[in-house]
Amino acid sequence: SAVISQKPSRDICQRGTSLTIQCQVDSQVTMMFWYRQQPGQSLTLIATANQGSEATYESGFVIDKFPISRPNLTFSTLTVSNMSPEDSSIYLCSVEGLDSSEQFFGPGTRLTVL
Amino acid sequence: LAKTTQPISMDSYEGQEVNITCSHNNIATNDYITWYQQFPSQGPRFIIQGYKTKVTNEVASLFIPADRKSSTLSLPRVSLSDTAVYYCLVGFNSGGSNYKLTFGKGTLLTVNP
Repeated sequence: SAVISQKPSRDICQRGTSLTIQCQVDSQVTMMFWYRQQPGQSLTLIATANQGSEATYESGFVIDKFPISRPNLTFSTLTVSNMSPEDSSIYLCSVEGLDSSEQFFGPGTRLTVL
Repeated sequence: LAKTTQPISMDSYEGQEVNITCSHNNIATNDYITWYQQFPSQGPRFIIQGYKTKVTNEVASLFIPADRKSSTLSLPRVSLSDTAVYYCLVGFNSGGSNYKLTFGKGTLLTVNP
């Protein structure tokens, strides 16, 4: 299994500002994923982040709005840029297990934009 | 990716066996069926995965009929702590190169005393 931590656990931000969310894994992993879970909703994949290459974004998500860094095999950041109240969500990172049959999720970052 | 359909909510009582069925009529040959559990304010947690027939682990059993167009997650003797949202996912596990999870709406299971 993998142990994943996220920082911050929650934040309240003003409209128009940006927030960077950190994801730290206790082991080296090839692929990391970023998800968004809006209030009362299911999870939606934002992007896949591989170390050493540009992140791959899903339909409806763009790099200018959600830039991602993946500087090494244990760490990634997701930035939510120019925030609006519609960005209020829980943001989760995840990694694949060794046999790729499952993903391990972080505890999430609860973001509220005023 | 195959779309899944599952009940929005289910109610149960402590000690009962709970079966949650998921429909995935368009499942592809290479698709696996995976179930995740999510408690409030936590990330989802892997429960079980299967391809066909029956899979059992220490937490649950997964029943998959021959046509694989549906699957049933079975939770034996549930307790109050099993109250959570359960997600059924269908997708191709390509051995690490690109396994993207597509979450449906999930089933909110409420276990009552």
